[in-house]
Amino acid sequence: EPEVTQTPSHQVTQMGQEVILRCVPISNHLYFYWYRQILGQKVEFLVSFYNNEISEKSEIFDDQFSVERPDGSNFTLKIRSTKLEDSAMYFCASSLHRTSGSYNEQFFGPGTRLTVL
Amino acid sequence: KQEVTQIPAALSVPEGENLVLNCSFTDSAIYNLQWFRQDPGKGLTSLLLIQSSQREQTSGRLNASLDKSSGRSTLYIAASQPGDSATYLCAVASGGSYIPTFGRGTSLIVHP
Repeated sequence: EPEVTQTPSHQVTQMGQEVILRCVPISNHLYFYWYRQILGQKVEFLVSFYNNEISEKSEIFDDQFSVERPDGSNFTLKIRSTKLEDSAMYFCASSLHRTSGSYNEQFFGPGTRLTVL
Repeated sequence: KQEVTQIPAALSVPEGENLVLNCSFTDSAIYNLQWFRQDPGKGLTSLLLIQSSQREQTSGRLNASLDKSSGRSTLYIAASQPGDSATYLCAVASGGSYIPTFGRGTSLIVHP
């Protein structure tokens, strides 16, 4: 069964360093998402991406964050200068469509645990 | 702004019991509601997706219902097993956006 994959599973970085989290969405899906979950808290939406541009973003997704689909399969989240509070689990998700019908079901990857020291 | 609440926060039951997990939301103008399972330190596994026009969805021992007018959904787990132990998350898409708002989840332990 197709699945969303993410690499690395765990990333440790120093405060102020840049990190790139990678995702491979399900191959025929058109919409891609990033979420984060700080330990013990709710899953929070960061950004959605369609047709090579951001379609929605939350207030969390500030200038320190960027997303890119560098080729036909990968979808990346970059954090330019990491802060301690960026430590969280980051989930990538994809869906076939965004709006009506069962095709808007989102499928999540296993996550990347980011630890900022 | 949509608020999603899940009750109870934690539940511990013996194997074989039938369970009901509750999810409530404040804005009834929803597009869909999705139930997920999350194992410790792992990603989210989609269990059931209910569109706003539907009242329930079933998959195996799982049944999810939706009552938009009262702002509630329930996830019913029949004949619980230790392998059902996980956190169950409810996520609601509404308010002009198809981006889901998540609840905090119900942490379920099914002991043998």
